[in-house]
Amino acid sequence: NAGVTQTPKFQVLKTGQSMTLQCAQDMNHEYMSWYRQDPGMGLRLIHYSVGAGITDQGEVPNGYNVSRSTTEDFPLRLLSAAPSQTSVYFCASRDRQLDGANVLTFGAGSRLTVL
Amino acid sequence: DQQVKQNSPSLSVQEGRISILNCDYTNSMFDYFLWYKKYPAEGPTFLISISSIKDKNEDGRFTVFLNKSAKHLSLHIVPSQPGDSAVYFCAAITPGQLTFGSGTQLTVLP
Repeated sequence: NAGVTQTPKFQVLKTGQSMTLQCAQDMNHEYMSWYRQDPGMGLRLIHYSVGAGITDQGEVPNGYNVSRSTTEDFPLRLLSAAPSQTSVYFCASRDRQLDGANVLTFGAGSRLTVL
Repeated sequence: DQQVKQNSPSLSVQEGRISILNCDYTNSMFDYFLWYKKYPAEGPTFLISISSIKDKNEDGRFTVFLNKSAKHLSLHIVPSQPGDSAVYFCAAITPGQLTFGSGTQLTVLP
């Protein structure tokens, strides 16, 4: 099992450019999410999806778009990159029910630098 | 307002000794607490969890303690090994929501 796969691992953008971070999971998980990790801030939820065709905002959604056309894929789009979006991005998935035994599986991360 | 706080950004411990990582929370509605471990250039991986109805959960070298009256949990690693060097995130669950702390970098010195 590959688990959660993120691409690219590294990306450098100029301010105003757009790009898409890809995320795919092969565990048939209904729930998928995107987090960003910043120093001293921990992991903050950007957007999430509880199933194909359903998305919702997390704690820090501004500047990001998502869509969920299939169970497997959950891309994160930056329409006009800003230096404040320099961060490490993690995609994560789990089965629908959130409890102490049904935990998130994370991808390896995508490091984005916006100049 | 951070509902889950890890006030120590870093901790250094000698190999073989006990590592104690701490986490405080403010929301009494949290019903599960988890610890994740993260190595550089990798995603976080689940380590151990505890239900709010328990005060201790043990898994090998790792034990998590929960003090609900103090809204405090801790992760004990005994004995600490160099391979335990990583960032540790505590997290808490309310229905449908998972909240992470800011992480503690643990360094185990050989």
